[in-house]
Amino acid sequence: QKEVEQNSGPLSVPEGAIASLNCTYSDRGSQSFFWYRQYSGKSPELIMFIYSNGDKEDGRFTAQLNKASQYVSLLIRDSQPSDSATYLCAVSGSGYSTLTFGKGTMLLVSP
Amino acid sequence: DGGITQSPKYLFRKEGQNVTLSCEQNLNHDAMYWYRQDPGQGLRLIYYSQIVNDFQKGDIAEGYSVSREKKESFPLTVTSAQKNPTAFYLCASNDRGKNEKLFFGSGTQLSVL
Repeated sequence: QKEVEQNSGPLSVPEGAIASLNCTYSDRGSQSFFWYRQYSGKSPELIMFIYSNGDKEDGRFTAQLNKASQYVSLLIRDSQPSDSATYLCAVSGSGYSTLTFGKGTMLLVSP
Repeated sequence: DGGITQSPKYLFRKEGQNVTLSCEQNLNHDAMYWYRQDPGQGLRLIYYSQIVNDFQKGDIAEGYSVSREKKESFPLTVTSAQKNPTAFYLCASNDRGKNEKLFFGSGTQLSVL
C-alpha cells in the first residue's frame, strides 16, 4: 500500500514569512510529485509539480525533491493571508499509475 | 472555456436510495477519476477510467458504480450498499500517458437525510 504522509498542522506563519510544508512517501519507485492547494469547500488546485531531484521554482513557490530520502517539500515565500488553505501532496508511481494523496497540511497566514 | 463540470453541487440521499453524480469534461482527456474526501482527510480513489467502456476499481469502490459510455462523461452512482455516503465527491481528469497532472471539477457535497 503506497503511503503519503503529511503533518496535518495547522502550520501558522506571520504574513511575509516563509512557510515550509513537508511530505514523505513510501514507494521508492515514485516518479511524479504534485502539490495541490485546497480552500475550504473547494476543489484542489494544482500549484506545483516536480519530477527530478532538486528544486523547482515558480514565483513565490519552490518545490524540493529528494528521492533518496523519499521527501518532497513546498516552500512559500512572502506568505500572504490568501495562502491560508490546506496543501495536499500527491505522488504517483512508475509507468501509468494513479495518484496517492496525503491528508494535507493546513496553513494559516496571519496578517 | 475548457473544464470539468460536476452536478449537482449539493445532493441529499434518503435511506435505501441510489443517487447519481454527474461529471462532464470538455478537455479531451482520456482518463477520468472519482475521489471521495471526508473532513480532515485526503482524497481516496473510488473508480477510474483510462478509456471509453473500461474502468477500474480504486481503493474504496464498494457501494459505488460507474459507467464510461462517452469520453466526455463519467457518472458515479452511490448505491444503497454504501452505508456512509456523506462526503465531498470530486471528479478529475488527465491525459492518459502524460504526466498525470489532474484537473478537478468543483465537487458535489453528498449528505444523508
